[in-house]
Amino acid sequence: LQQESGPGLVKPSETLSLTCTVSGGSITTTAYYWGWIRQSPGKGLEWLGHLSYGENSYYSPSLRSRVSISVDTSKNQFSLRLTSVTATDTAVYYCARVDSIFGVADYWGQGTLVTVSS
Amino acid sequence: EIMMTQSPATLSVSPGARVTLSCRASQSVSSNLAWYQQKPGQAPRLLIYGASTRAIGIPARFSGSGSGTEFTLTISSLQSEDFAVYYCQQHKKWPPITFGQGTRLEIK
Repeated sequence: LQQESGPGLVKPSETLSLTCTVSGGSITTTAYYWGWIRQSPGKGLEWLGHLSYGENSYYSPSLRSRVSISVDTSKNQFSLRLTSVTATDTAVYYCARVDSIFGVADYWGQGTLVTVSS
Repeated sequence: EIMMTQSPATLSVSPGARVTLSCRASQSVSSNLAWYQQKPGQAPRLLIYGASTRAIGIPARFSGSGSGTEFTLTISSLQSEDFAVYYCQQHKKWPPITFGQGTRLEIK
């Protein structure tokens, strides 16, 4: 249902940009939020943020100053921007559909590895 | 922010055995607790939400229980495909969405 796309290599201090294409349903539904979760190599899951079409977006407190999520309804896509990246931002980035009532990620993209390196 | 703690970090179990994984919340989340399974190289998969409700397509050998701050995930008879990492997540007070650090289930 979701597929991530974007560069696999980003230089330190630059901006990481990823897009998630949603298929099988409209991104404008209010039944779901659309979120990003990452996993550093060998580590656990870290929620980055989510939004719902026409509503506020919510971000991880630790990343709020660097992260933003936006929606492109014409393409049924949502995107992640993470600014001023460092090596610690190297991770597999997943996009996910989040049930708006239960707050659980019921469908995930396959994930895309982004490496921050010069 | 509600912190989630899972134990143990790694569990070595034989196929066919019954196994129980634990998750503790730093404050009460009522029954708002989910479990995910992640196999190597794959995205996590939702197993359980609401502490005990299986997600679509999840086999009956997976069961969840608990409320408040203490939760368990039980696999009644381990199959080879069940060896993976399991994460818990509270969905009582969100955002932020918070996960436990995971329990790795490995073959003994």
